[in-house]
Amino acid sequence: GAGVSQSPSNKVTEKGKDVELRCDPISGHTALYWYRQRLGQGLEFLIYFQGNSAPDKSGLPSDRFSAERTGESVSTLTIQRTQQEDSAVYLCASSLGAGGETQYFGPGTRLLVL
Amino acid sequence: DQQVKQNSPSLSVQEGRISILNCDYTNSMFDYFLWYKKYPAEGPTFLISISSIKDKNEDGRFTVFLNKSAKHLSLHIVPSQPGDSAVYFCAAKNYNQGGKLIFGQGTELSVKP
Repeated sequence: GAGVSQSPSNKVTEKGKDVELRCDPISGHTALYWYRQRLGQGLEFLIYFQGNSAPDKSGLPSDRFSAERTGESVSTLTIQRTQQEDSAVYLCASSLGAGGETQYFGPGTRLLVL
Repeated sequence: DQQVKQNSPSLSVQEGRISILNCDYTNSMFDYFLWYKKYPAEGPTFLISISSIKDKNEDGRFTVFLNKSAKHLSLHIVPSQPGDSAVYFCAAKNYNQGGKLIFGQGTELSVKP
């Protein structure tokens, strides 16, 4: 694939429901990141995966948030029992490694919790 | 605790003139800084970066300046073009803490013809 892809592009859900967001990184990229951007704010780091190392989960805002990655491919971000404050654009990025390598971002998933 | 701050939410510049976007940081452990550009409904795209061992990095119309003592960096775009109109994010990282980036709030640049 040419770039990072994310699905769905938009998601509207009701408060209390679970949602699952998907990210397909660039092939060969060992590092994968999840960020979110609330309205009018900057990007907020959530979690990152680097190869087979334990993920850095330091940015996850609560235990309702979790993410998985299978090998060096697809990742899913799951939000359980969604709240209205979870409404944001969720962005995924990937890079060749975790050093100074450029992070390439997907278009994001716009999540609206009613 | 906002470790990376962009205090100007917006900037308007005339085409052909210089655009200067500013960014301040508080964490002295940051050693690598990046600027990303974001158009509406798209993900951010990498623009230019600078390591803390340098004070300037130039790429075409884009130059980033780093003042470590002031914990301040700036992005200069010259000459500015209407296609440069976008939201610009400053980001910082610490090499020893892996790849996670800490972003500022963004500055929306509008370049008027």
